[in-house]
Amino acid sequence: DIQLTQSPSFLSASVGDRVTITCRASQDIRNNLAWYRQKPGEAPNLLIYIASTLRTGVPTRFSGSGSGTEFTLTITSLQPEDFATYYCQEPNGYRTFGGGTKVEIK
Amino acid sequence: QITLKESGPTLVKPTQTLTLTCTFSGFSLTTSGLGVGWIRQPPGKALEWLASIYWDDDKQYTSSLKSRLTITKDTSNSQVVLTMTNVDPVDTATYYCAYSLFVWGFHYWGQGALVTVSS
Repeated sequence: DIQLTQSPSFLSASVGDRVTITCRASQDIRNNLAWYRQKPGEAPNLLIYIASTLRTGVPTRFSGSGSGTEFTLTITSLQPEDFATYYCQEPNGYRTFGGGTKVEIK
Repeated sequence: QITLKESGPTLVKPTQTLTLTCTFSGFSLTTSGLGVGWIRQPPGKALEWLASIYWDDDKQYTSSLKSRLTITKDTSNSQVVLTMTNVDPVDTATYYCAYSLFVWGFHYWGQGALVTVSS
């Protein structure tokens, strides 16, 4: 099975900060990676797919990059609604999710 | 507008079989490239993909639970059913169903259904 390791697990940031989250795969998954944001008490929401394609309607402050085994999600200017937990997922083969990164208010 | 909603018991006893139904609208599971998956999330923990079924009736299961899971679809009633046998308290979680487009991830999610396994 493919393992996805996210880092950091927690991060504290302020509104307006630039934030980067990393997702590392245990084997080459090419560009088969999706990113989700989950606000407390809500279902996850897809932000990015195929590693770097922004889903329609998602703000442009979100961007994704990477291929192979290392991927990043960047939020250029953190907004209040972005304090949430973020998950990466390999949606093609094993459909594994990463362990999550919780973004908290500093 | 695509919507999905999970339904099923809120409380199940250990060793029983759990049956969850996902009722959806806004798409047909006969359309090429579409799928519906089940994902669960224990309280305070990460997401775990369980199973997916596709327009061509292809079925995929997570390897760790494959022997306990069955996923089926009823296209005429726009439903997908997940059964999990021999449940245990560690299966306590919020169970989500979600719509997938090709292999691009889960684009739409239900609100989730909390299932507690306890005697």
